[in-house]
Amino acid sequence: EAGVAQSPRYKIIEKRQSVAFWCNPISGHATLYWYQQILGQGPKLLIQFQNNGVVDDSQLPKDRFSAERLKGVDSTLKIQPAKLEDSAVYLCASSFEAPLAYQETQYFGPGTRLLVL
Amino acid sequence: AQTVTQSQPEMSVQEAETVTLSCTYDTSESDYYLFWYKQPPSRQMILVIRQEAYKQQNATENRFSVNFQKAAKSFSLKISDSQLGDAAMYFCACNYGGATNKLIFGTGTLLAVQP
Repeated sequence: EAGVAQSPRYKIIEKRQSVAFWCNPISGHATLYWYQQILGQGPKLLIQFQNNGVVDDSQLPKDRFSAERLKGVDSTLKIQPAKLEDSAVYLCASSFEAPLAYQETQYFGPGTRLLVL
Repeated sequence: AQTVTQSQPEMSVQEAETVTLSCTYDTSESDYYLFWYKQPPSRQMILVIRQEAYKQQNATENRFSVNFQKAAKSFSLKISDSQLGDAAMYFCACNYGGATNKLIFGTGTLLAVQP
């Protein structure tokens, strides 16, 4: 079974530039998540999709971050404009729908390491 | 606020020895899931083991086992017969339930395995 795919693996940009990350979840997984992991910290959820719809985006900085999930499969996370503090690893995860949401196990992709100069 | 705490930033173990990583959490929920994830230097987060809070029996997966103490809100990971490939950052995480599947992570414990 193929895992969660992410690209690019690394990205270096200057502040105020824009950047986009792509994620392809495990086939059949209805739920997709984007996490931000700052160096030395655990991952923090940015946004959660259930099929096409957003379930939770309470911690997404909406003035600069946006995300979409096309046709309930692939997803793109965008930052525009980027700030120095956005330097982090951006992790995508997916899970198979369970009777109760919190019973689901999340499977992570390799992440995209972003450096903002 | 619901939190997960890992009080050991770094741990070291000799190859073939046993090591225990600590994790505590805080919640008023009665049912939830607890997880240990491993993140090697390649940064792929891998599920090690999971525990359902309503199950009293501790979960085990080969050399990995947990000591789940619900009353104390403690969820430690024991790695037996440590191998060089076990070296990684280990994250404890909790899904407290509700409408969303929201994992709350600890800050991680960096495990070094000495040959």
